[in-house]
Amino acid sequence: QVQLVESGGGVVQPGRSLRLSCAASGFTFSSYAIHWVRQAPGKGLEWVALVSYDGTNEYYTDSVKGRFTISRDNSKNTLYLQMNSLRAEDTAVYYCARDLDHSGSQRFDYWGQGTLVTVSS
Amino acid sequence: EIVLTQSPATLSLSPGERATLSCRASQSVSSYLAWYQQKPGQAPRLLIYDASNRATGIPARFSGSGSGTDFTLTISSLEPEDFAVYYCQQRSDWPRCSFGQGTKLEIK
Repeated sequence: QVQLVESGGGVVQPGRSLRLSCAASGFTFSSYAIHWVRQAPGKGLEWVALVSYDGTNEYYTDSVKGRFTISRDNSKNTLYLQMNSLRAEDTAVYYCARDLDHSGSQRFDYWGQGTLVTVSS
Repeated sequence: EIVLTQSPATLSLSPGERATLSCRASQSVSSYLAWYQQKPGQAPRLLIYDASNRATGIPARFSGSGSGTDFTLTISSLEPEDFAVYYCQQRSDWPRCSFGQGTKLEIK
């Protein structure tokens, strides 16, 4: 069965960096685009970033452009999110989510359980 | 930026009743609208994509309709496990997408 397992969350000070990982199994990872979607405590969902199936194309929401980098290693079936210059407003549960197709149609058919990132001094 | 407004914010119904949830877009999103269900402490689950297509494994009591700016998620007869928060999501301005603020479906 399809599984996505996030890791790497924690408490970090404003301005510092953190790298999240998402380990995938149960499907051909290299055939699907993958996203990061976040949810601030008690709030709604916000799309963060997308990487195409082969890693050649990346897209970001405006609030994280220049600070966050999405990448993938298809040999390890793993997705990453490098987060730099973190701000308090980045505090959220971060989910990785599989897209329905390879290029990134923004339809999220499987989600991980999420990892909590707290940015606080 | 396309804004999605969901109504009502909270819907109180009993098991067996019919639920109708609405999502309105600030401009046309064609049929590029999805619905997700989220239970406390869990990740969202895709229910409906492209306005009316049920995702894999979703029961037939869930249906979606609409196009342009007005969309509806209908649950024909509520089961106890259906009480959750529901979000709509548009993908019309790809690669961006946006979600509504959610409708909480609670037991009356």
